[in-house]
Amino acid sequence: SQTIHQWPATLVQPVGSPLSLECTVEGTSNPNLYWYRQAAGRGLQLLFYSVGIGQISSEVPQNLSASRPQDRQFILSSKKLLLSDSGFYLCACTGQGDEQYFGPGTRLTVT
Amino acid sequence: ILNVEQSPQSLHVQEGDSTNFTCSFPSSNFYALHWYRWETAKSPEALFVMTLNGDEKKKGRISATLNTKEGYSYLYIKGSQPEDSATYLCAFGSNDYKLSFGAGTTVTVRA
Repeated sequence: SQTIHQWPATLVQPVGSPLSLECTVEGTSNPNLYWYRQAAGRGLQLLFYSVGIGQISSEVPQNLSASRPQDRQFILSSKKLLLSDSGFYLCACTGQGDEQYFGPGTRLTVT
Repeated sequence: ILNVEQSPQSLHVQEGDSTNFTCSFPSSNFYALHWYRWETAKSPEALFVMTLNGDEKKKGRISATLNTKEGYSYLYIKGSQPEDSATYLCAFGSNDYKLSFGAGTTVTVRA
């Protein structure tokens, strides 16, 4: 079964600083990969998804970007963080069925 | 962005009591409806993926029903236990493996 690793677990960054969150997946090959964000008091919002290396689809215009340099690696980045980027970031991959498996998440606070 | 709504936002239930809550979603172009359980300090965990109108799924004391024609699903918890305390998320799945999540129903089971 799939295992998803995310790091760091928590991060406090000042406004205007860069961001790099990493997600790696074990136990599957060629998965669909996803980045979600949960802002305070809100549901999970899909930010990016990828069906293969170098293939990224963005769901909402925002201050973030994503890359997939390897089959099981998904990176979320920003050049300059905004206060509104604060939230809980989850990486997910698809399983054998349509269900998604989630990583442990990164809590980002932009100050 | 699809409109997926869950109600109530939160509920408290006494240990041993049963409860249920709702997810409503667009009834057109239905593909799949997902339920996830998200416990504090853990990752969301898939409970059910439902695809057929009239589907009923069960996992232990938790079950779900699906009405695709009117666009709603119910999740039931029978004989609630403290370990059932969690946020329950529903998500509308499209045929390109993307999920649109509701904001969740947070269940607190009081001993």
